[in-house]
Amino acid sequence: GQNIDQPTEMTATEGAIVQINCTYQTSGFNGLFWYQQHAGEAPTFLSYNVLDGLEEKGRFSSFLSRSKGYSYLLLKELQMKDSASYLCAVRDSNYQLIWGAGTKLIIKP
Amino acid sequence: IAGITQAPTSQILAAGRRMTLRCTQDMRHNAMYWYRQDLGLGLRLIHYSNTAGTTGKGEVPDGYSVSRANTDDFPLTLASAVPSQTSVYFCASSELAGALSTQYFGPGTRLTVL
Repeated sequence: GQNIDQPTEMTATEGAIVQINCTYQTSGFNGLFWYQQHAGEAPTFLSYNVLDGLEEKGRFSSFLSRSKGYSYLLLKELQMKDSASYLCAVRDSNYQLIWGAGTKLIIKP
Repeated sequence: IAGITQAPTSQILAAGRRMTLRCTQDMRHNAMYWYRQDLGLGLRLIHYSNTAGTTGKGEVPDGYSVSRANTDDFPLTLASAVPSQTSVYFCASSELAGALSTQYFGPGTRLTVL
């Protein structure tokens, strides 16, 4: 079967750095996505990795290792507005997205 | 403002009733998708359409039907609602199906079936 695993919940302090991990087992791989979802709102696109390595976009970076079936999202200089759920999704061999259940990130002052 | 709209925002429905959730996008995207999101589970694909005139089944299609008569609209119909269909429903679209296309989401419809 296909599986995406992420921690259910994480807590971090304002101004700090947090790393959210995602491991996957899917039938084929055509890229990995990270989305942010604030409570009661729609998911919004953050990043996309298809090759191994680090993609940096401002305070957010995403890393991929295809051989390990592993990705992480790194958030720097945390702000209160970063409190949200972060969703990992893998595009499989049928080009459909398989989604993890999401990691709820709580930022404390 | 360009994007995806969904209607209604929320709905309470009696079991056995028929219901159509509406989704419209103005980005001229070829592909559209319907997902449901339940607590503790990832988004699950119900149906998709790679281009106008074609549709396909996702992971959880039973009890749902879709149509894609034109590029902009992708309605989702529950023929006879059951309580297990209580969920938040998101419509999404992407410029192309597959490849490098990113999916963009509508604001969602919160549906409660009693």
